[in-house]
Amino acid sequence: GAGVSQSPSNKVTEKGKDVELRCDPISGHTALYWYRQSLGQGLEFLIYFQGNSAPDKSGLPSDRFSAERTGGSVSTLTIQRTQQEDSAVYFCASSLMATSGGGSTDTQYFGPGTRLTVL
Amino acid sequence: AQKVTQAQTEISVVEKEDVTLDCVYETRDTTYYLFWYKQPPSGELVFLIRRNSFDEQNEISGRYSWNFQKSTSSFNFTITASQVVDSAVYFCALSELNSGYSTLTFGKGTMLLVSP
Repeated sequence: GAGVSQSPSNKVTEKGKDVELRCDPISGHTALYWYRQSLGQGLEFLIYFQGNSAPDKSGLPSDRFSAERTGGSVSTLTIQRTQQEDSAVYFCASSLMATSGGGSTDTQYFGPGTRLTVL
Repeated sequence: AQKVTQAQTEISVVEKEDVTLDCVYETRDTTYYLFWYKQPPSGELVFLIRRNSFDEQNEISGRYSWNFQKSTSSFNFTITASQVVDSAVYFCALSELNSGYSTLTFGKGTMLLVSP
């Protein structure tokens, strides 16, 4: 079946502009995650959604970052007044559930990422 | 706080050599999950394996094998008879349950270069 999709694949913007990154999770997956990978680094957790709610926004690096998810499916990550340090690859992942009643955890499947370059 | 350490930044081998990628983790939880992901030059993240903290059996999948040792908090990954297509960055990740949901903490990755 179709995997996680993200758009755009590449985005070049000027400092100070706003950008929107889109994620379309695997159908039927209720949990959705955003991560950021700066050059040469591992992935850094940003935010998680269970359905439409985001119980944990603590990973967002500043109040310029926000995310929403509507209809329990597509999510948008918005970065306002972009700065050069925002340049990174932004990954979205989805899983069936964030956790099951038995305390298990579902595997997260990642999209191809959006490479954001802020000039 | 949880932490994942991949001490090897880059490894270079010649095709057909065996190679082991190290992963050491820190966690206070008794229930947790460990993962390996592959990131080829094209940039996507490919899921390889998931292992829960209660299952210390080693796993083999084709040329890939994983050695999980709770006593040393390690979850090492071995590729046997490496191939050029194995060239990628490999990430080890740890998942803990936080307030009823899990997030992944990634290591910084090990870049594996397999030359012909």
